[in-house]
Parts: sequence; C-alpha cells; structure tokens
Amino acid sequence: AQSVTQLDSQVPVFEEAPVELRCNYSSSVSVYLFWYVQYPNQGLQLLLKYLSGSTLVESINGFEAEFNKSQTSFHLRKPSVHISDTAEYFCAAVDTGRRALTFGSGTRLQVQP
Amino acid sequence: NAGVTQTPKFRVLKTGQSMTLLCAQDMNHEYMYWYRQDPGMGLRLIHYSVGEGTTAKGEVPDGYNVSRLKKQNFLLGLESAAPSQTSVYFCASSDDSETQYFGPGTRLLVL
Repeated sequence: AQSVTQLDSQVPVFEEAPVELRCNYSSSVSVYLFWYVQYPNQGLQLLLKYLSGSTLVESINGFEAEFNKSQTSFHLRKPSVHISDTAEYFCAAVDTGRRALTFGSGTRLQVQP
Repeated sequence: NAGVTQTPKFRVLKTGQSMTLLCAQDMNHEYMYWYRQDPGMGLRLIHYSVGEGTTAKGEVPDGYNVSRLKKQNFLLGLESAAPSQTSVYFCASSDDSETQYFGPGTRLLVL
C-alpha cells in the first residue's frame, strides 16, 4: 500500500523567513503528487501539482515544490513567508488504481510577526 | 458556478441516529469522493465513485454507505451513528486532470 509521510506536524516561522515543508512518498505510489492548503474552517485548495515534465513546479503565490525521484520526496518551499500563509498544508499522491488521493497527516505552518 | 457544495454544514447526532450528507457538483465531473478528516491523520478516503450509478470502497468504509444516482450528486449515509464517526467530512470531485476540487466540509458531532 502506498503512503505519504509529512515529517513535521507543526512548523513555526517568522514572517519573511524561508520555509520548507517536507513530504516523502512510498516507492509504490504513482508519481502524481500534490500539495493542498487548508485555511481555518475551510476546505482544501490545490496549491500545486506534479504530473510529469519539469520536476520543479510553482504556485501563483510564491510556493514551489521539487519532485525528487531518487529521494522519493516532494518538499514544499517558499523563500519568504507572509502572515497570510498561516494554514495547514497537505501533501498527497494519487492512486491511479482508484483515482483517489492518499494524504499525508498535514503540516501546520504558523507564521509569526 | 458554485463548484462543490455540501449540506449540511454542521450537525449533531445522538448515537444510533441516522443521517445523510449531500454533496453536489456543477462541473460535470465523472469522479466523486468522500473523505473524513481527523486531527493528526490527514484525510482518509471513505468511498468514491467513478461515474453515475457506480460506487467503491475506500480506506475506511465501515459504517458508511453511499449512492450516486445522479452524476452531480454523491450521498454519504450513516445508518447508525457512533461517536467514532465524529469528524469533518469533505466531498471532492475531479475530471481526468487528476486535480480534485473540495467542498467546504460538514462538521459532524456524534454524542
């Protein structure tokens, strides 16, 4: 069975500092990978995804993630965070056998002034 | 274009009661999903559907039933609610692009 692991449950960071949220997936999982963001009391929104092609993918609000096949990782990074980035971030992989996502346990990003 | 909507937003049940959660999407998506979200566990797939009239079990299907009588609707039923089913329930839909679009969630408390 596939699995997605997010190593950090909480990441506190100061505003304008860089941040990295870590995600590793099992080798049996499909290589379709996603990052979703959940703001308080809201549903999940797609942040970025890797399906194929360039291993570096970017979002419109400055986040980026790099697919690393040898390390089975898909870490999320942002060079300078804002207070508004405070949210929970979920890494996910698609199970092509079921077309359903397998989620990591989530990382709560807390941006402090 | 409302996307994915869920009804109700919040519900309190007593143990043993039944209820149905409704998910509706207006994007003409073939695939629909029900997840539950619990603290520290991410989202776990309950049931899913690959098209009208079809359903399949996900990771945690016990205690739930689903129906997809119309393409735009996906219903999640609890026949006899238990406290372990206290959770936030999310519905999602997708097309062939692999991207899933989520509803705002339903908070369920079972006493």
